[in-house]
Amino acid sequence: QQQVKQSPQSLIVQKGGISIINCAYENTAFDYFPWYQQFPGKGPALLIAIRPDVSEKKEGRFTISFNKSAKQFSLHIMDSQPGDSATYFCAANRGATNKLIFGTGTLLAVQP
Amino acid sequence: DTAVSQTPKYLVTQMGNDKSIKCEQNLGHDTMYWYKQDSKKFLKIMFSYNNKELIINETVPNRFSPKSPDKAHLNLHINSLELGDSAVYFCASSGTDRLWGYTFGSGTRLTVV
Repeated sequence: QQQVKQSPQSLIVQKGGISIINCAYENTAFDYFPWYQQFPGKGPALLIAIRPDVSEKKEGRFTISFNKSAKQFSLHIMDSQPGDSATYFCAANRGATNKLIFGTGTLLAVQP
Repeated sequence: DTAVSQTPKYLVTQMGNDKSIKCEQNLGHDTMYWYKQDSKKFLKIMFSYNNKELIINETVPNRFSPKSPDKAHLNLHINSLELGDSAVYFCASSGTDRLWGYTFGSGTRLTVV
């Protein structure tokens, strides 16, 4: 049972373009939605996170859009760069257990 | 100064052997985790400890046994290794504010032959 569904599985974007990765969740008790970035041979690293009381959060070229009624959230990477090429994971959790449930990951390749 | 360090980075061993992976964090976090990343990159939680107390124990074979001697250390011992245990194992830690997220180690690539 996949509680957080992520798409697409892979994505190729030209340098300067917009990368969009989508996630959907089932559990309405989730109250924290982070995105992680993972480079080959490294552990995932927190990129940006949002709580469901806001619809959008922007940090530099990275934006999370959140649609609570649709139970969906997405990551937009503006002006994508080759250095952004990595695997991106959405995640969700709730409350005190702090167990992060990860999506299945999106391999992003930004072509120069 | 590495925040979450795991050793070893690579581990190649034969089926049936017993092995351990060690993790240490110097962030002062209270909670530590073990995650398994399979060949398809899927990340799944295995265990979580809060201040040395086991708080999450997912459906993991009991050949896997975590141990936390103090809140800065979390080790994973695996008995009777099987081919299907081959994966990358990540240790992570988190503090009290979830907005700071998890800090992951660089992983231990375990290959069982």
